[in-house]
Amino acid sequence: SYEVTQPPSVSVSPGQTASITCSGDKLRDKNVCWYQQKPGQSPVLVIYQDIRRPTGIPERFSGSKSGNTATLTISGTQAMDEADYHCQAWDTDIVLFGGGTKLTVL
Amino acid sequence: QLQLQESGPGLVKPWETLSLTCTVAAGPIISTNYFWAWIRQPPGKGLEWIGSIYHSGGTYYSPSLKSRATMSVDTSNNQFSLKVTSVTAADTAVYYCARHFWPRQSTCYFDYWGQGNLVTVSS
Repeated sequence: SYEVTQPPSVSVSPGQTASITCSGDKLRDKNVCWYQQKPGQSPVLVIYQDIRRPTGIPERFSGSKSGNTATLTISGTQAMDEADYHCQAWDTDIVLFGGGTKLTVL
Repeated sequence: QLQLQESGPGLVKPWETLSLTCTVAAGPIISTNYFWAWIRQPPGKGLEWIGSIYHSGGTYYSPSLKSRATMSVDTSNNQFSLKVTSVTAADTAVYYCARHFWPRQSTCYFDYWGQGNLVTVSS
């Protein structure tokens, strides 16, 4: 079955750049989305169609893709960005989520 | 701003049926290219897509739950529902309803989410 994979955790210092990856065999041909989820809250869409940012999402959030790996980049990371981040794609008639990455801002 | 609200019991006994309803407010459930989805999250774990339903009643389900999950839509009341049969402790999770943009050509994403409903399976 098709899967997408994320690292369980990423750490970053305040003001630095955080990069979270999402990998999958067919990802080069799929659109990837990213969601931010803070403790006790519902997920929030931060990137869709690989690179697009919904209205209201800060410019420090950006998306990119190279081959079968998509990357969520947070520039000038702030303490408020500490959260779980989930990537999502779809294949045929199935929607897939990665396992989620916990971003810690040290 | 579109709002979604889950409702249903917080406790279900093993081998019984879990039933949840999502009420959509401040927007129509009949929208081109928009499905309505259920997603769950076991405690401390990642998100799992359960399935999506179109306003016409067409459905797509996760293979892992397809045999036990059934979704339905009530356009007159702007609601959609989920039933999962023969539940076990592994079905304990926060269940979210969400609006699902899925034109089925390229992109798909969930842009509005409910607040979530914790369902615990226990005797």
